[in-house]
Amino acid sequence: AQSVTQPDIHITVSEGASLELRCNYSYGATPYLFWYVQSPGQGLQLLLKYFSGDTLVQGIKGFEAEFKRSQSSFNLRKPSVHWSDAAEYFCAVAPRGYGNKLVFGAGTILRVKS
Amino acid sequence: DSGVTQTPKHLITATGQRVTLRCSPRSGDLSVYWYQQSLDQGLQFLIQYYNGEERAKGNILERFSAQQFPDLHSELNLSSLELGDSALYFCASSLQGNEQFFGPGTRLTVL
Repeated sequence: AQSVTQPDIHITVSEGASLELRCNYSYGATPYLFWYVQSPGQGLQLLLKYFSGDTLVQGIKGFEAEFKRSQSSFNLRKPSVHWSDAAEYFCAVAPRGYGNKLVFGAGTILRVKS
Repeated sequence: DSGVTQTPKHLITATGQRVTLRCSPRSGDLSVYWYQQSLDQGLQFLIQYYNGEERAKGNILERFSAQQFPDLHSELNLSSLELGDSALYFCASSLQGNEQFFGPGTRLTVL
């Protein structure tokens, strides 16, 4: 069965420090990969996506993610965290092909210390 | 703002009742997806419609049903509500491919 693992439930970083959120997936073939962010009381906003090509993808708000096929991972990174980045981050996968459902990880709550 | 709208924003009701959640997709998007977010189950896919027809089903209870109308808006009907149905219900839409845009959600509280 398809599954997505985000091993860190909570992460706390200092403002200005770098950030890496981990995501591993279990799938028969390389799926489409996504990172979404959810601020308190808000919906889900797409940060970035990987379909094919360059394994380092750039997203909005200064985020990037690297796809590593050998490790079945798609980790999210940001070089310098801002207080406004405090939110919950979800990794998601979808089977290749048109219009397929998203399977989400459990999420990682990011806290930013000032 | 994703362009996906959901109403109502909050809904408080009692066990055994029936409610309807409404979603308007982004202009031009043909696919609508419904997801449930709860503390114990996380974010789970419920059902997908494409241009008025059911496309895929996930972990949707028999007490729940959905439809997509000719104007492409969608409704999720939840009946015989139980305490465990309290959750945030999201609608998402997409035109093609797998980039889904999410609405702000409807928070359902069953008392």
